[in-house]
Amino acid sequence: GENVEQHPSTLSVQEGDSAVIKCTYSDSASNYFPWYKQELGKRPQLIIDIRSNVGEKKDQRIAVTLNKTAKHFSLHITETQPEDSAVYFCAARGWRALTFGSGTRLQVQP
Amino acid sequence: DTGVSQDPRHKITKRGQNVTFRCDPISEHNRLYWYRQTLGQGPEFLTYFQNEAQLEKSRLLSDRFSAERPKGSFSTLEIQRTEQGDSAMYLCASSPKDRGYQAFFGQGTRLTVV
Repeated sequence: GENVEQHPSTLSVQEGDSAVIKCTYSDSASNYFPWYKQELGKRPQLIIDIRSNVGEKKDQRIAVTLNKTAKHFSLHITETQPEDSAVYFCAARGWRALTFGSGTRLQVQP
Repeated sequence: DTGVSQDPRHKITKRGQNVTFRCDPISEHNRLYWYRQTLGQGPEFLTYFQNEAQLEKSRLLSDRFSAERPKGSFSTLEIQRTEQGDSAMYLCASSPKDRGYQAFFGQGTRLTVV
């Protein structure tokens, strides 16, 4: 089955700096890669996603890049703000369901 | 809130008891998923429905777990003879027909087995 690895497990940045979270996946058949943000006690919230026919997608301050050959994808957050502090999960979808990474706790220091 | 709704939000039960959780997906979403999340980990897939048909079950889903979606709308997840290792957040997600790859999560049911 699919295996998704996520790094780093924790990330601390100063407000205004950029943050990058990286994931690798194992199943070359995976074709959909979403990112979720989860605040304490709340539901995972879909913030951006990319399908395998696209190499990069951007939405305001967040962007995702995908390298299918190397089987890795990354989340980029620019101009970080304190409200970006949360746990971020990457995921990969193969046949039917999502396989998640273990999460990155992002702390944005004011 | 027209998102995925789960009930109850919290459940404390004694070991050996049975518990049942309910999930109401977003209206007209035909796909429904159950995931389990433990502290510090990402959600783990349990089972998946397309309409009323249960199409896939993870090997994580032991015989004590059963899920139903009788009319293709809401779903229930039952755990029989609960064990302390069942303590976790149980998340439900749904996907629309036209974008079946996207999953939208509910707020989850936190189960504590004492």
